[in-house]
Amino acid sequence: DQQVKQNSPSLSVQEGRISILNCDYTNSMFDYFLWYKKYPAEGPTFLISISSIKDKNEDGRFTVFLNKSAKHLSLHIVPSQPGDSAVYFCAASEDFGNEKLTFGTGTRLTIIP
Amino acid sequence: ETGVTQSPTHLIKTRGQQVTLRCSSQSGHNTVSWYQQALGQGPQFIFQYYREEENGRGNFPPRFSGLQFPNYSSELNVNALELDDSALYLCASSPQGLGELFFGEGSRLTVL
Repeated sequence: DQQVKQNSPSLSVQEGRISILNCDYTNSMFDYFLWYKKYPAEGPTFLISISSIKDKNEDGRFTVFLNKSAKHLSLHIVPSQPGDSAVYFCAASEDFGNEKLTFGTGTRLTIIP
Repeated sequence: ETGVTQSPTHLIKTRGQQVTLRCSSQSGHNTVSWYQQALGQGPQFIFQYYREEENGRGNFPPRFSGLQFPNYSSELNVNALELDDSALYLCASSPQGLGELFFGEGSRLTVL
């Protein structure tokens, strides 16, 4: 039972354009959402998060949007840079501070120079 | 400030054997979590330790066990290894209640 789904296994985007990564969830108890980025041979690193009381959170080139009624969130990266090429994981927890995270299967983003 | 470190980075075991994976938490972090990442999957929560006590467990059998030590380092033990235990095992630490995990590079276990 996949409670967090990333339906696009891969995505290629031209450098300088916008990258949009999508994530859907089924568990209505999820209240806090995070995006992690993973390079090969490294552990995942935290990118950005959002609480369910907000619908948008922005940090530099990264913006996460949450549509709670649709149980959908997305990560926007603009402008995309070659260093953004990595696997991106969406994760969810039932409340802020709860480190039991449920992860999606990841989307491999490739930025084309 | 050192980050989360794990050892060994790679190891090969045979079915039925036992394995111990080790993790040193990031300085100042008192919570440690372990995740299993199978090939092509996202990390799956195994369990979490806070102040040396188990503080939550995912859907893993009892042959997966752990320890957290007073210096906040941790071990993951897996008994009676099965082929499906082949995966990347990730350790993550955090100051309790922050909600953000800091991951190590992982230990890749292959069971033959």
